[in-house]
Amino acid sequence: QSALTQPASVSGSPGQSITISCTGTSSDVGGYNYVSWYQQHPGKAPKLMIYDVSNRPSGVSNRFSGSKSGNTASLTISGLQAEDEADYYCSSYTSSSTLKVFGGGTKLTVL
Amino acid sequence: QITLKESGPTLVKPTQTLTLTCTFSGFSLSTSGVGVGWIRQPPGKALEWLALIYWDDDKRYSPSLKSRLTITKDTSKNQVVLTMTNMDPVDTATYYCAHSASSATMVRGVDYFDYWGQGTLVTVSS
Repeated sequence: QSALTQPASVSGSPGQSITISCTGTSSDVGGYNYVSWYQQHPGKAPKLMIYDVSNRPSGVSNRFSGSKSGNTASLTISGLQAEDEADYYCSSYTSSSTLKVFGGGTKLTVL
Repeated sequence: QITLKESGPTLVKPTQTLTLTCTFSGFSLSTSGVGVGWIRQPPGKALEWLALIYWDDDKRYSPSLKSRLTITKDTSKNQVVLTMTNMDPVDTATYYCAHSASSATMVRGVDYFDYWGQGTLVTVSS
């Protein structure tokens, strides 16, 4: 069981917007602004999409955005494209001895 | 251009020790703020953070695996080595190494992984 809770799957049609949630506690997501998001296509290594809750690395499309409210962080993808179909993982710093935790992952299907 | 590549055995027997090497280029592990981490992913399952080593040789481990893990670095060779003892079939996974960065370099664990290796699948079976 992962420390951060994500929905197992989300779906959307091309052009639509979707949001993936990542729920933790006040010891991780809610207590610090150190949430990151990763995209993983089948058979490939994860790719950093968002860091420190809402910052986009150079080269990542501005269709991807991150936010946080309370103990829940969110990744929003606007203008959904077929190439966005992938698994998405959130990660956070935690003040517990675990130090760093990942979510269980969310499979995004573009209909 | 930062690149990382994992190497090591693809098959290990139960109870054996796994040694994985991450060879990287495009950065130095002696530069302040830099770290290299290991993350694994069992087939069809989620990512799991294992260990991190920083430029100042500070080492951090996942508590659930700490007794079995050792992470070291060889700055001159641009390599980071992860050893995991007493391997079990449940340790079958793709193991990734990744470059870590953070906006708060003096706080450990707040890193994000911005560059990843391609991963190496390790199967534990007799």
